[in-house]
Amino acid sequence: AQTVTQSQPEMSVQEAETVTLSCTYDTSESDYYLFWYKQPPSRQMILVIRQEAYKQQNATENRFSVNFQKAAKSFSLKISDSQLGDAAMYFCAYRSAWASGTYKYIFGTGTRLKVLA
Amino acid sequence: EPEVTQTPSHQVTQMGQEVILRCVPISNHLYFYWYRQILGQKVEFLVSFYNNEISEKSEIFDDQFSVERPDGSNFTLKIRSTKLEDSAMYFCASSGTGGTYGYTFGSGTRLTVV
Repeated sequence: AQTVTQSQPEMSVQEAETVTLSCTYDTSESDYYLFWYKQPPSRQMILVIRQEAYKQQNATENRFSVNFQKAAKSFSLKISDSQLGDAAMYFCAYRSAWASGTYKYIFGTGTRLKVLA
Repeated sequence: EPEVTQTPSHQVTQMGQEVILRCVPISNHLYFYWYRQILGQKVEFLVSFYNNEISEKSEIFDDQFSVERPDGSNFTLKIRSTKLEDSAMYFCASSGTGGTYGYTFGSGTRLTVV
């Protein structure tokens, strides 16, 4: 079974600085999708960024980028120029790509990001 | 931007009572999901629903749980006889592609069983 591990329960960053959140996963599959979701205090989970495992190029979305290391099964999120609005819980998630496999997401335990003014 | 709407935002119920959590997915989405998050813990999959039937369920989703899409717009989660350990945040989500491009989540229903 697949697992997702976020080893940093909490991180802090100064406004305008860069922070990297770690995520590792375990799977025997070769094709899958990885996601980072942001959960602000309003509770709704919002998709931040998505990566397809068969694509070597790291995904980027404005100030958010990932470092996807498939062999190491690592999927870290880098937030550049951190803003106060980035303060939230961040979840890493895995989804199998196999058509006959499960469609469910497997989430990590989350990393709470604090942004210091 | 289209939203997934969940009601109520907070529900308190007596142990043993039935509760129905309601969700209105995005109208052109075909896949629907329920996840739950016990306070301070990870988000856990409960059930997925496609083409008017359950496509997958977790071991958490036992006989006390059921889902329904009664009218083509609402998607409900029913817990027949609530237990204290059912207290959690319940999230509904929908997607157009089975989740390969991500889900759209609702804001959640906080269920408190007393």
